[in-house]
This record gives sequence, C-alpha cells and structure tokens, in this order.
Amino acid sequence: DIQMTQSPSSLSASVGDRITITCQASRDISNYLNWYQQKSGKAPKLLIYDGSKLETGVPSRFSGSGSGTHFTFTISSLQPEDFATYYCQQSDSLPITFGQGTRLEI
Amino acid sequence: EVLLVESGGGLVQPGGSLRLSCSTSTVTFSDFEMNWVRQAPGTGLEWISYISSTGSTIYYADSVKGRFTISRDNAKRTLYLQMNSLRAEDTAVYYCATVAPFRDWGQGALVTVSS
Repeated sequence: DIQMTQSPSSLSASVGDRITITCQASRDISNYLNWYQQKSGKAPKLLIYDGSKLETGVPSRFSGSGSGTHFTFTISSLQPEDFATYYCQQSDSLPITFGQGTRLEI
Repeated sequence: EVLLVESGGGLVQPGGSLRLSCSTSTVTFSDFEMNWVRQAPGTGLEWISYISSTGSTIYYADSVKGRFTISRDNAKRTLYLQMNSLRAEDTAVYYCATVAPFRDWGQGALVTVSS
C-alpha cells in the first residue's frame, strides 16, 4: 500500500495569510494526487486533482504542485471560509489512501 | 454534478449486520465506477471499497475484506454496502463517492456499532 504522509497535522493562521501543506507518498505516484477540503459534519470537497488542476468552481487562491513523491498545497490568501481540514489522497493505485489531514485554525 | 443520497445507517450490536444504500437520479449511473469511504469519529478518511461500472471488478480494504460486500443495481441506480460481523471499530460515517478523484459524495450515513 502507498503511505501518504501529510504535514503539518494542524496549522494556526490568520485571514490574508499564505499557507502551505505538504504531502509525501511512499513511492512514485506520478501526478495522481488530489486535495480535499472538509468542513465539520460535511462530506469532503474536491479542490485540486492530478496534482495541480483546479476543480471547476474552486477559487484560484487554491493551488497544488508536485509530482512523483512530493506535493504541496497552497492557499495564497486565507479567507474566513477556508478554515477547515484538508486531506491529500493518492489515486495512483488501490487501495486509495489519504493523508492524515491538516486542521487549519484561526 | 452527481447527487448521491445514502440511507440505511443506524445503531447495531457487535457481530450484527447492516446494509447501506447509495441512490442517485443520474441516468448515467451505470457509467460510473463507485467507491465507499468511511470516517471514524474525530479521525481521517479511509477508503474501503471499489466497484466497476458493471460490477465485474471489486476491491476491498484489508480492514473490511471478508466482512463487507459491495454491489450495485444499475437499473435501480443504487449502490450497496452489505456489512456483516460488525465491530466497534466499524463505527463511522460512511460515504459513497464516484470514481477517483472523488468529485461527487453522498451526505454520509452514520453507523454506530455498540451494545
């Protein structure tokens, strides 16, 4: 199984800040890396797929980069609605695996 | 966007069984590969099962293999998860989702395994 190591596990920031989350795969997954946002009591929402592609309707302040084993997710200027938990996920091979999540707090 | 609606969650005793359903009105449901993902209270996301569009290919996570069965009825536009021999550690919100990347998710069904 491919292990996904996501860091940090939690992050305190303020509105307007730029933040970065990293995700490392235990082996090469090409660009089969996706990022999700989850708010309390809700299903996750796809933000970035295939490493760097912005899902339709997602604001451009969200971005992703990387390939192979190392990936980053950035929010360029935090908005109040961005405080949530973020997960990376590899879809290169089954079993699909997720990172442990990053809780973004004010 | 595909609207998915789960049902069938609830409280069950250890060793018991439960069947979850995931329904959609999307006419092209038969074209979609589907997955089940769960989230135990206060924890992260865990993929547990995949089924191809025709149902001919199925995969399970080791944590549920031999106890859970995924299936689908394309005529009814419904995905199922039959859960047997349930354990306390199966307590979670269960989501159905379309093929990775998971663009479309159900609202989640809470399964609580407790005596």
